[in-house]
Amino acid sequence: ELKVEQNPLFLSMQEGKNYTIYCNYSTTSDRLYWYRQDPGKSLESLFVLLSNGAVKQEGRLMASLDTKARLSTLHITAAVHDLSATYFCAVGFSNDYKLSFGAGTTVTVRA
Amino acid sequence: SAVISQKPSRDICQRGTSLTIQCQVDSQVTMMFWYRQQPGQSLTLIATANQGSEATYESGFVIDKFPISRPNLTFSTLTVSNMSPEDSSIYLCSVTWTGSYEQYFGPGTRLTVT
Repeated sequence: ELKVEQNPLFLSMQEGKNYTIYCNYSTTSDRLYWYRQDPGKSLESLFVLLSNGAVKQEGRLMASLDTKARLSTLHITAAVHDLSATYFCAVGFSNDYKLSFGAGTTVTVRA
Repeated sequence: SAVISQKPSRDICQRGTSLTIQCQVDSQVTMMFWYRQQPGQSLTLIATANQGSEATYESGFVIDKFPISRPNLTFSTLTVSNMSPEDSSIYLCSVTWTGSYEQYFGPGTRLTVT
């Protein structure tokens, strides 16, 4: 059974500092997703990582993938209040397109 | 990309009743999925909605409880049958296309069962 583990589950960030969210998964996969969810809202796609060593960046967020270690990281640079949300990683497969989600990391950015 | 709408956006239902949730996409899509997000939890896949055939359910979900229809390439419904308070969740549809790696989610339907 595929397991997707995220940590930490809760992250209190100080504005201006850097932080990392980790996503480990138990089965070889060919795509790794990061989504953002604001309270009461749906999921917003942040990144899709398709190959070993893939790195994608958007603003203060950078995601990377190490398929050999079955690990993806979401790095937050110089946190700002607008980044407060829950971040999910999800593992997918090109043969059936189903996604298995991690538990989510609830991020709160404080001044 | 795709614009996805869901109806209703939220509902409060009584125990023992059923609710049908609609998912409408503004363009034809290959794959449609239904997910459940219980309060404070992550998303769990309920089933794959197959166009013109029976849905494919994940372990722990059954057709009698969550009947799904997909009459065409832009529309699907999920019914939550004989509801109990444990069914209180957000139900989301998602869509993608064969050969695509992007997967988009609808706004969700927030269901409360009393």
